[in-house]
Formats: sequence, C-alpha cells, structure tokens
Amino acid sequence: KQEVTQIPAALSVPEGENLVLNCSFTDSAIYNLQWFRQDPGKGLTSLLLIQSSQREQTSGRLNASLDKSSGRSTLYIAASQPGDSATYLCAVRDSYDKVIFGPGTSLSVIP
Amino acid sequence: NAGVTQTPKFRVLKTGQSMTLLCAQDMNHEYMYWYRQDPGMGLRLIHYSVGEGTTAKGEVPDGYNVSRLKKQNFLLGLESAAPSQTSVYFCASKTKLAGVVQFFGPGTRLTVL
Repeated sequence: KQEVTQIPAALSVPEGENLVLNCSFTDSAIYNLQWFRQDPGKGLTSLLLIQSSQREQTSGRLNASLDKSSGRSTLYIAASQPGDSATYLCAVRDSYDKVIFGPGTSLSVIP
Repeated sequence: NAGVTQTPKFRVLKTGQSMTLLCAQDMNHEYMYWYRQDPGMGLRLIHYSVGEGTTAKGEVPDGYNVSRLKKQNFLLGLESAAPSQTSVYFCASKTKLAGVVQFFGPGTRLTVL
C-alpha cells in the first residue's frame, strides 16, 4: 500500500531564505507526483507536476525534483516571501490512477 | 468560468442527521473526486467518478454515498452522520487525459455533534 510522508510537519523561516520541503513515498511505481499549495480555509492549488520519467520541474522560484528509485521528492523555494506562507502537500498518482496525498508541511515565512 | 464550486461552505449536523454536499464544475471534466481532509492525515479519497452515471469507491468510502447523474455535478451523501465524519470535504475534477492536474473546490467544513 502506497504511503506518502512529508517532513517537516511545520517550518518557520525568515523572509529571503531558501528552503527545501521533503516528500517520501513507499512504492516507487508511480505515474506522476504533484506539489500543491493550500491556503488556510481554501482548496488546493497545483504548483508543479512531475511525470515519472522526469527528474525535475521549475516554475518561477519553485523547483521540484523527483527520485523515483529512492521514493523521494523535494520542493525547493528560493528567496522565500511572506506570501509563500501556506501548507504544501505532495501527492503521487499510482499505476491504478489513484492519488495519495501526504499530510502536508505548514510553512510560515516571517517578514 | 467558475471552476469547481462546492455547496454549502459550512454545516453543523447532529448525529444521525443526513445531508448532501454538492460539487459542480463547468470545465466539462470527465473525472470528479470527493476527498476528506483531517489534521495530520492529508487528503483521503472517499469516492470518485470517471464519467456520468459511474462511481467507484476510494480509500474511505464507508458511511458515504455518491451520485453522478449529470456530468457537471457530483453529489456526496451522508445518510446518518457520525462525529467521525467531522472533517473538511474537498471536491476535485480533471479531464480524462493522463498526467494532468486536478482542480479543487474551496471545501466544505462539516461538524457533526
């Protein structure tokens, strides 16, 4: 059974710092991996989608990497801003087309 | 283009009451999903639908029923609410093309007393 974990559960950094969020999954037979952002009381917004054949994707200050063999993905946020404060979730899509979410990392960027 | 909308936004029920959550999407998506989100557990799939008139069970289907009578709507029903169903419920939709993102609704916060 696929399980997705995220470390740390919460993170607080000063504005301007570069940071890394981690996502781990137990079954490497995934179809793709997504990183989402969730603002308090809101739904999820997709940030980056990495197909299983890709190793990374970039969007602005965000860079996501994928290492299928080790069951890991990282989300790198450069030059963090207070507006980046949110919960970040990763989710993997398995070969049965099911999406399994991690519990999320709550990020606070302090001005 | 409203995207994915959910009705209601908030609801408080007493144990044993029933209710229906409505999800609507105007993007002509084939696939629709219902998730629940609980603290520290991420999102868990309740039921999903790959097309009008079809539904399937997800990870945590017990206590819920769904219907997809129209392509644009996906209904989630609780026949006899229990406190364990206190959660935030999210609906999502996507096209049937592989490797595309899901679009999420804003969520419904349900409390069962």
